[in-house]
Amino acid sequence: EAGVVQSPRYKIIEKKQPVAFWCNPISGHNTLYWYLQNLGQGPELLIRYENEEAVDDSQLPKDRFSAERLKGVDSTLKIQPAELGDSAVYLCASSLEGGRRTGELFFGEGSRLTVL
Amino acid sequence: GESVGLHLPTLSVQEGDNSIINCAYSNSASDYFIWYKQESGKGPQFIIDIRSNMDKRQGQRVTVLLNKTVKHLSLQIAATQPGDSAVYFCAEKAGNKLTFGGGTRVLVKP
Repeated sequence: EAGVVQSPRYKIIEKKQPVAFWCNPISGHNTLYWYLQNLGQGPELLIRYENEEAVDDSQLPKDRFSAERLKGVDSTLKIQPAELGDSAVYLCASSLEGGRRTGELFFGEGSRLTVL
Repeated sequence: GESVGLHLPTLSVQEGDNSIINCAYSNSASDYFIWYKQESGKGPQFIIDIRSNMDKRQGQRVTVLLNKTVKHLSLQIAATQPGDSAVYFCAEKAGNKLTFGGGTRVLVKP
């Protein structure tokens, strides 16, 4: 079974440029998450989708970050314009039924962003 | 692969010995507690979880202990192997919200 697929794996951009990350969750998983992970720290939730609805985006910096999950499957996360402090790994994860019975989320390998 | 973290607490363990990784949590209302393993350049991988009404759960070579009195969670790895070298994160789940704690790097010495 294919896992969560993310692209690109690595992206280097100059500050003030836009960037977009793409995520394909595990087939059948209705819940999709975007996490941000800074070096040496645990992942921090940016946004959670139940199907195509964003049910928790309280930690998403909406002035520059946006996300969408059209048709309740793939998702994109966009940053415009990027700032130096956005350099991090952006992780996508998916789960079945929001992982309600357990805490098991399936993570992709992440997209590492470097802003110069 | 790239390093997940440069200034993480580190546990060095001899191959074949047992490892114990500790974690303090904050939310008394959490209903699940989970351990994730993250290898360099990869996303976190689920290891084991424990429901809040339990105090011990065993998996293959791993045991999770939960002490709600002092809000403490631990992961024990039996007969640690080189493939266990990674960063380990605890996480707590309250409703649909999963919150990760700080990580611990485990280095297995041959």
